[in-house]
Amino acid sequence: ETGVTQSPTHLIKTRGQQVTLRCSSQSGHNTVSWYQQALGQGPQFIFQYYREEENGRGNFPPRFSGLQFPNYSSELNVNALELDDSALYLCASSLGQGITGELFFGEGSRLTVL
Amino acid sequence: QKEVEQDPGPLSVPEGAIVSLNCTYSNSAFQYFMWYRQYSRKGPELLMYTYSSGNKEDGRFTAQVDKSSKYISLFIRDSQPSDSATYLCAMSVGDNYGQNFVFGPGTRLSVLP
Repeated sequence: ETGVTQSPTHLIKTRGQQVTLRCSSQSGHNTVSWYQQALGQGPQFIFQYYREEENGRGNFPPRFSGLQFPNYSSELNVNALELDDSALYLCASSLGQGITGELFFGEGSRLTVL
Repeated sequence: QKEVEQDPGPLSVPEGAIVSLNCTYSNSAFQYFMWYRQYSRKGPELLMYTYSSGNKEDGRFTAQVDKSSKYISLFIRDSQPSDSATYLCAMSVGDNYGQNFVFGPGTRLSVLP
């Protein structure tokens, strides 16, 4: 079975630009969530998608948006980038929207905003 | 006060030592408690998962949850250099938004050969 894969692995943007990050969930997993991990900090929950709908959101502004596709892959879009958006963005997948045990993380996309 | 606090480290121990990693939390609604290990430039991987209070053992790892004190611990016995990583505690209330985990800031552990 394939694990969670994310792209791109690294990218550099300037303040005010927009970015799209992509995630392919683990085979058979229908729930995807996105986390932001600033340097030296733990991951922070951005939002969760289940069956192509957002059904949970953390304390992030609306310029953070996402999509989940019928094959359960997902995108994270961030508009009007700010310097504080520089972080590792992690995608995680699991089977089912509730607590079922293991949450599988990808290796992340490292975003630098200049 | 942050919702989940964790000893920041870094923590350096000799190979073979017993390691104790700890987290405290403020939200009494948390029911699910996890420990993740994160190697440099990698995503977190689940080590231990417990529901409610009690102990759980898996090989060299033991997780303890004390809900009355809002305190969780991870013990690593016979630590190995390959255990060198950042350890993150994570918690959830276990509602329908099951992936809404609250993570601690992590403790960086170095096990010296």
